[in-house]
Amino acid sequence: AQSVSQHNHHVILSEAASLELGCNYSYGGTVNLFWYVQYPGQHLQLLLKYFSGDPLVKGIKGFEAEFIKSKFSFNLRKPSVQWSDTAEYFCAVSASGGSYIPTFGRGTSLIVHP
Amino acid sequence: SQTIHQWPATLVQPVGSPLSLECTVEGTSNPNLYWYRQAAGRGLQLLFYSVGIGQISSEVPQNLSASRPQDRQFILSSKKLLLSDSGFYLCAWTLGSNQPQHFGDGTRLSIL
Repeated sequence: AQSVSQHNHHVILSEAASLELGCNYSYGGTVNLFWYVQYPGQHLQLLLKYFSGDPLVKGIKGFEAEFIKSKFSFNLRKPSVQWSDTAEYFCAVSASGGSYIPTFGRGTSLIVHP
Repeated sequence: SQTIHQWPATLVQPVGSPLSLECTVEGTSNPNLYWYRQAAGRGLQLLFYSVGIGQISSEVPQNLSASRPQDRQFILSSKKLLLSDSGFYLCAWTLGSNQPQHFGDGTRLSIL
């Protein structure tokens, strides 16, 4: 079974600061990787995903993530955060193929001060 | 386009009462369906998932059960609620292993 670790539980930044949220997983096979975002009072929604190909994936709102297979990592980055990026961020991993049972990290709460 | 509806949005129930939370998906067929509980700082705990009508898999043994009476309907139930059942419940769907999940707005359940 796979597991996901998000090392940063709470992150506080000022606007225009750079962001990197860590995500590490444990699974020996091929994986699908996701970052989801939950803005205050809203439902969880997909930020970006990686299935195959270019390990650097770009998502909505200027976010990107890099899959480093050797490090079992899929860190989320944004060069300059905005107040509107205040939200909770979840990393998720699923094994490729078969029934789709993703495993979620515990989430990172990001607060951006204006 | 596909949509997911989850209701009610909030629910306050006494201990020992029954529970029924409903989730329906529109605009797609044969989705995989999921019930999660989300707790602050603990991420999403998968409770049940279903790959087809009448097919339910339970991830965590507890006081809850799930049913899928129709292709796009997923119901979370309990015969007798416990205080520990309080929480935020999310329904989600996906079309396969290479597709992201789509989440409902959630139900905030408070047990008194």
